[in-house]
Amino acid sequence: DIQLTQTPSSLSASVGDSVTITCRSSQSINSYLNWYQQKPGKAPNLLIYAASRLQNGVPSRFSGSRSGTEFTLTISSLQPDDFATYYCQQSNNLPRTFGQGTKLEIK
Amino acid sequence: QVQLQESGPGLVKPSETLSLTCSVSGGSISSHYWGWIRQSPGKGLEWIGYVYYSGSTNYNPSLKSRVTISLDTSKNQFSLELSSVTAADTAVYYCARDVGGWTVAGWFDTWGQGTLVTVSS
Repeated sequence: DIQLTQTPSSLSASVGDSVTITCRSSQSINSYLNWYQQKPGKAPNLLIYAASRLQNGVPSRFSGSRSGTEFTLTISSLQPDDFATYYCQQSNNLPRTFGQGTKLEIK
Repeated sequence: QVQLQESGPGLVKPSETLSLTCSVSGGSISSHYWGWIRQSPGKGLEWIGYVYYSGSTNYNPSLKSRVTISLDTSKNQFSLELSSVTAADTAVYYCARDVGGWTVAGWFDTWGQGTLVTVSS
């Protein structure tokens, strides 16, 4: 199975900051890396698919990029609603696998 | 807008079979792939498998011997059965629409709210 390693596991930031979360794959997954946001007690919500494509309805302050087997999710100008846990997921191979999550907290 | 809702027992005894149903509203189940994902504190998010509207399925090898996913087009529902459960199967179970199934477009664009299933005697 493909292993996805997210860093950091948690981070603190302030409203208005820009933050970057990284997801590294154990092998090539081309650009088939997806990002989700999850709030406590809720289901994950798809933000970005295929590394950089914004899901309909997701604010443009969310963006994704790829460099080899390293993928990044960037949130610019953090809003109060953005404090949540973020997960990556690969769809290049079966079985689908997820990263362990990055918890974004308010500083 | 498609909406998903899980239903089923919240408590299952060890060695028994966990059974959950996902009801699809706002769209037909007779298209797309439909999947199950679970989340536990110990293992994070884990993909269980999917069923295609044709009835074809694909399961996580780690669970394959115990899992069955099926669909009922007449009720616009799909279901999960997980047999011989242990405490390690305690998790929140989500149903989700899988955009691409076996293809590289295998991301999940619509999720149910999730249901907690506890395995305990």
